[in-house]
Amino acid sequence: EVQLVQSGAEVAKPGESLNISCEASGYSFTSYWIAWVRQTPEKGLEFMGIIYPGDSETRYNPSFQGQVTLSVDKSSTTAYLQWSSLRASDTAIYYCARQRGVVAAISSWGQGTLVTVSS
Amino acid sequence: EIVLTQSPGALSLSPGERATLSCRASQSISASFLAWYQQKPGQAPRLLIYGASNRATGIPDRFSGSGSGTDFTLTISRLEPEDFAVYYCQQFGRSPRCSFGQGTKLEIK
Repeated sequence: EVQLVQSGAEVAKPGESLNISCEASGYSFTSYWIAWVRQTPEKGLEFMGIIYPGDSETRYNPSFQGQVTLSVDKSSTTAYLQWSSLRASDTAIYYCARQRGVVAAISSWGQGTLVTVSS
Repeated sequence: EIVLTQSPGALSLSPGERATLSCRASQSISASFLAWYQQKPGQAPRLLIYGASNRATGIPDRFSGSGSGTDFTLTISRLEPEDFAVYYCQQFGRSPRCSFGQGTKLEIK
């Protein structure tokens, strides 16, 4: 069974750095792309970018380029979403997800991680 | 950026009725790159339809998708109680410049 298990909710202050994780199991981690999707009440679902664990090729939606960093650790089959300096507007639920190719529907989703940024 | 506009924003129907949800793209897209997802409260979205008309694994055949160009439709033939949720369309032909519609909330009447 394909599983994407995300790390728990986070509360952070503006300007802080943060790292959330997504541990994959039940399939060949290096053969599928991992996508990250943001969800807020104001803007709905937003596609942030994708990373291929096989070679760490990464493609960002221009709206998120420079705002976040995607990475993977093949040894632990875990993907990461990182911020170097959080903003209040980063408050959202973040989902990791699996897709077969760069141009593909999202076939599996993690349970989501709520990130709250507040002073 | 391709903007997807879903209508109606909310739909109130009774179990057993037929639901028709619309997704309109701001420019023509290939049907191959259009998907539909279902999201229930407190849960992640779930893939229902890909390639505009192909049901994902395990999706009941009361769910069907159709459309081409700029107009796409998700139809639920006979609503079951578990179908009341929010539905999103997504275009992914220009990945990672993917976009989602704003959603249609399907409510029990």
